[in-house]
Amino acid sequence: AQSVAQPEDQVNVAEGNPLTVKCTYSVSGNPYLFWYVQYPNRGLQFLLKYITGDNLVKGSYGFEAEFNKSQTSFHLKKPSALVSDSALYFCAVRDPDTGRRALTFGSGTRLQVQP
Amino acid sequence: DAEITQSPRHKITETGRQVTLACHQTWNHNNMFWYRQDLGHGLRLIHYSYGVQDTNKGEVSDGYSVSRSNTEDLPLTLESAASSQTSVYFCASSPTNTGELFFGEGSRLTVL
Repeated sequence: AQSVAQPEDQVNVAEGNPLTVKCTYSVSGNPYLFWYVQYPNRGLQFLLKYITGDNLVKGSYGFEAEFNKSQTSFHLKKPSALVSDSALYFCAVRDPDTGRRALTFGSGTRLQVQP
Repeated sequence: DAEITQSPRHKITETGRQVTLACHQTWNHNNMFWYRQDLGHGLRLIHYSYGVQDTNKGEVSDGYSVSRSNTEDLPLTLESAASSQTSVYFCASSPTNTGELFFGEGSRLTVL
């Protein structure tokens, strides 16, 4: 079975500082990994994905994520946080070897960027 | 622009009533999904469909059903609403090969 863990319920960071939101995964095969962001009373918006290739993936709004197979991690990063980055972030995984196309989501991490 | 829409956005109902949440997408995606979002649980998969006449159960399917009579729509029905089904429900769709899901804005359901 595939699963995702987001170990931090909330991450606090000062505006202008780098941010990291952590994610670890468990799948039997090679994973497809995703990050989504959710603003209040809105649906989830796709940020970036890792399918194959370069371990460093760049996405929307200056976010990037690094795939680390040995640590089974896919942490979300941004060099300089903005107050407008404050939102709920979800990591998700899909195991393509199973034929299943649904994503399994983590429990979410709330990012709070202080001015 | 192509999009995915959910209706109603907010609904209050009573225990035991049947409720249907609508989901309509104009991307012509084969894959459609229903998730529920609850505090501390993230998003959990209720049902999904890979095409017309195809439906499958997710991890939390008890008390829910779906039907897929065309590509655009995947309505979610709660046969007899229970207070435990108070939640925010999200519909999503994806094209077959790329993997990422595109989400609707959600339907907030309260069962009293």
